Amino acid sequence: AQTVTQSQPEMSVQEAETVTLSCTYDTSESDYYLFWYKQPPSRQMILVIRQEAYKQQNATENRFSVNFQKAAKSFSLKISDSQLGDAAMYFCACLPASGTYKYIFGTGTRLKVLA
Amino acid sequence: ETGVTQTPRHLVMGMTNKKSLKCEQHLGHNAMYWYKQSAKKPLELMFVYSLEERVENNSVPSRFSPECPNSSHLFLHLHTLQPEDSALYLCASSQDRWTAINQPQHFGDGTRLSIL
Repeated sequence: AQTVTQSQPEMSVQEAETVTLSCTYDTSESDYYLFWYKQPPSRQMILVIRQEAYKQQNATENRFSVNFQKAAKSFSLKISDSQLGDAAMYFCACLPASGTYKYIFGTGTRLKVLA
Repeated sequence: ETGVTQTPRHLVMGMTNKKSLKCEQHLGHNAMYWYKQSAKKPLELMFVYSLEERVENNSVPSRFSPECPNSSHLFLHLHTLQPEDSALYLCASSQDRWTAINQPQHFGDGTRLSIL
């Protein structure tokens, strides 16, 4: 069975500082995609960043970057220069590339940004 | 404009009531999904529709009944629910069910359901 584990239920970061959210996954698939989604309070879930497992280069999207360690099955999210608007639940997800739609999500990490 | 709209935003119902959740997408997507989000649990995929055909029923109890009359609309009919069914129900859509890295899911705001 595939699983995604987010071991940090809650994290806090000072505004303008950097924070890293951890995610580990377990899959028997040889090719897959990894995602980080953000869910602000009472707002829709939106995609933050995505990574193709066969690409070694870490994905970056402005202040968001990942540290993808395939051998360790680790996919952490780094948020630089944290802003108040970054406060949200962050979900890590894994999706097999074998033509399936079955996303496997983690339990989420609640990020608080302190002014 | 979120692209995926869910109504109502909040719903409180008794265990014997019948109600429906509605999802509408304006993105031209062909696949739609229902998820259940409970506190401290991963998102649980419930149903998937592709071109109005149900392609996934993830062992969901029959008190949840989905309906997809067209590719833009998705309903979740609720009947005789239990207190443990209280959760946030999220609708999502994607271009099609054969996923690709550049075709992620788009989510609605969700319906917060409380069962008395």
